[in-house]
Amino acid sequence: GIQVEQSPPDLILQEGANSTLRCNFSDSVNNLQWFHQNPWGQLINLFYIPSGTKQNGRLSATTVATERYSLLYISSSQTTDSGVYFCAVNNDMRFGAGTRLTVKP
Amino acid sequence: DTEVTQTPKHLVMGMTNKKSLKCEQHMGHRAMYWYKQKAKKPPELMFVYSYEKLSINESVPSRFSPECPNSSLLNLHLHALQPEDSALYLCASSQDLQGARTEAFFGQGTRLTVV
Repeated sequence: GIQVEQSPPDLILQEGANSTLRCNFSDSVNNLQWFHQNPWGQLINLFYIPSGTKQNGRLSATTVATERYSLLYISSSQTTDSGVYFCAVNNDMRFGAGTRLTVKP
Repeated sequence: DTEVTQTPKHLVMGMTNKKSLKCEQHMGHRAMYWYKQKAKKPPELMFVYSYEKLSINESVPSRFSPECPNSSLLNLHLHALQPEDSALYLCASSQDLQGARTEAFFGQGTRLTVV
């Protein structure tokens, strides 16, 4: 089956810093989503982005389907951005291992 | 409305108990999913239903039995579980499994403890 790899596994930032999270996948995909899992376990939809670029406030994402990767950009990070960020691909939503982000005040 | 509702939020059950987890959505979605998530791990797919028919079963042990009685409701029946089955169980739904209508929305999960 398709392999999904996320990097880095852990990231610690000072509040206000910018960051880039990466999701690589081993085969072509027809669906890619980015999620933020909060400390209570809720998976919050960030982007549905099988290709192209989208922006939502301080967050933006780019998927280059032909090169099999997607990037999530977080600008001016806040402590509330802390949590685990997952990418998931294809119609049966296969998840990467996630990036655990900690934003320190 | 992008709400998927799971009940109960927390469940403690003994190894000889039978219990059920419930998931409901009223977005008209025709694909529904069960995931299991252990601590510090990503969600793992268990089952997918499409148009109320089981589409994917990821070789899940028979002590987990899914049921999709109608297009809005998905159940997970639990029987004779083991302590290692303790986890967060997540339900999700999407419009469809095909094409561009596959954006999935998740419920808040049921945190299950088997004692």
